[in-house]
Formats: sequence, structure tokens, C-alpha cells
Amino acid sequence: DAGVIQSPRHEVTEMGQEVTLRCKPISGHNSLFWYRQTMMRGLELLIYFNNNVPIDDSGMPEDRFSAKMPNASFSTLKIQPSEPRDSAVYFCASSFGTQSDEQFFGPGTRLTVL
Amino acid sequence: AQTVTQSQPEMSVQEAETVTLSCTYDTSESNYYLFWYKQPPSRQMILVIRQEAYKQQNATENRFSVNFQKAAKSFSLKISDSQLGDTAMYFCAFSNFGNEKLTFGTGTRLTIIP
Repeated sequence: DAGVIQSPRHEVTEMGQEVTLRCKPISGHNSLFWYRQTMMRGLELLIYFNNNVPIDDSGMPEDRFSAKMPNASFSTLKIQPSEPRDSAVYFCASSFGTQSDEQFFGPGTRLTVL
Repeated sequence: AQTVTQSQPEMSVQEAETVTLSCTYDTSESNYYLFWYKQPPSRQMILVIRQEAYKQQNATENRFSVNFQKAAKSFSLKISDSQLGDTAMYFCAFSNFGNEKLTFGTGTRLTIIP
């Protein structure tokens, strides 16, 4: 198994541009999570899906952020318009979907907004 | 809201020694799950060990073990016979029973000295 796949691995963009981060979860996993990691705030859960349905989006910072999961094998996190304070590492993780399950993390996308 | 506190930002230990990382949490729930994740310089988040709050017995995984003190809301990680590959950030995390959402601590940077 290839594990959780994220693309791109690095993204550099200018303030105001739209940014789309992509994630392919592990096949057979029912839950998908988007996290953001910064030095100031540590690891924060932004949103998670179960069976493609958003369950908890309370961590989404503001309306500039949106996430979709159109099918079991693909999810996107979009930032529009991007701001310098969005610079962070964004992780996608997936699990089988019960609370004690291990969440398998992708390699992350390092986003830099200039 | 649940909080997870890791009071040791950095630690270092000689190779082959034993080291204990501290974690405390705050919750009003009686049933929940606790995790230790490792993030090496490669940035990949990896599950080290997990503990169900309803289990009295402390979890162990090879050289890794926990000291779970439910009344004190303490969940420390002990690494025995430390190896150079143990050098990483270690995050303590919490999830409520019935909810997959993970709340992470701020992490402890562990360095194993040859």
C-alpha cells in the first residue's frame, strides 16, 4: 500500500491566489482528516470526513477555507484567497473510522504564501 | 473542551538510556483514548502507542510503554534502550469516546545523543 498520498509536497504562492491541496486516503479507510501544523499553534484539526460526509469542520479557520470529498479516494482543501498567515504544513490523514483507530498521516504539503 | 499539555519542550538523552516524556490532559469524560505520535525530521507522523482509558493495564509496544494515571490525568511515555532513530518530535493526543477528533499537545523535541 502506498499510504496516504498528498500533492503537491511544496507550494509557494502569492497572497490572494487560490491554493488547492489534494489527498488520496488509504484504500478501505472510511475517515479522512485535514490538519494544519504551525510553530505557533501546533497541530490543529481543520475538518474530518466519515464516508465522504463532513462530520466536524469546527477547526476551519474562516470562509476562505473549504474542503470537499467527492468520493472515497479523493479530497481537496482549498484556500481562496490565500494570505501569508496561511503558511503552514498541511497534513491529510485517514483511518478505518472508529475512535480508537490509528490515523495514518500523509507526508504533508508545505505551503508558503508570500 | 479537552486540552493536552506537554510541559517539556525539549529533552535529550544518551543512546541506550531510558527517557520519560510527560503528558497531562483535561477532560470531564470518563471514557476516551490517548495516543503518542512521533514526527521524525522527515515530517511523517507515526503512531507509537495508544491507550484506552477503560483499560487498567498500561500499554506497551516493544521499547515503548506508557504510565497511565487516570485519576491524575497523566499519560507519560517511557522509551527504554533509546536509539538514534528515536530522535523526533513526540506528540501526545486525546480523543473522546465516540469521536475521532484528535487533540494534540504542543510536542516534545527528543534528541538521542550518540
